[in-house]
Amino acid sequence: DQQVKQNSPSLSVQEGRISILNCDYTNSMFDYFLWYKKYPAEGPTFLISISSIKDKNEDGRFTVFLNKSAKHLSLHIVPSQPGDSAVYFCAETSGSRLTFGEGTQLTVNP
Amino acid sequence: DVKVTQSSRYLVKRTGEKVFLECVQDMDHENMFWYRQDPGLGLRLIYFSYDVKMKEKGDIPEGYSVSREKKERFSLILESASTNQTSMYLCASSSGLAGGDDEQFFGPGTRLTVL
Repeated sequence: DQQVKQNSPSLSVQEGRISILNCDYTNSMFDYFLWYKKYPAEGPTFLISISSIKDKNEDGRFTVFLNKSAKHLSLHIVPSQPGDSAVYFCAETSGSRLTFGEGTQLTVNP
Repeated sequence: DVKVTQSSRYLVKRTGEKVFLECVQDMDHENMFWYRQDPGLGLRLIYFSYDVKMKEKGDIPEGYSVSREKKERFSLILESASTNQTSMYLCASSSGLAGGDDEQFFGPGTRLTVL
């Protein structure tokens, strides 16, 4: 049973607008959630994380929101840029292990 | 900068062949991981290792084995390759020191095709 779900396989937005990527989880005993970005033919790279004791973390254009009651987190990218076009994975930590969602392909159109 | 390298970017093998995928990291990391990435399934953990000569099964270990004889090197072995093992294989490492948000650093991946 998938513990981390990204229900939208793809998302398309216009340059300059907001991109919102969503992730749902089932396990309430996590420590952190991490977001990774992956370009074709490259390995994933870490983007931003959020601790279970926080509800928001911000880093430049990227903000992650955590709603523990709904077991939902979202990544906001404002403003979106064409270079943000990639697959985005959310991942839940358990010790040093990560459990990844299915990924969402973000396309930012110029 | 952390560097994780994988021995091949692309590999084509035949059904039944024994396949070795090699991964090397240069940051003295304790932890190393092997994942496969398939469309619609995300990254799934095959095996991981917290120390030399130590291994733990991940979520999908069937048909695979691993070897970690040196701290910097983690090998994934397909004893008898099958067509359903055609996939992108990603190696990662992490320090094991940061606790819950221990960032994993990934290699570029090996695209394996089994004919």
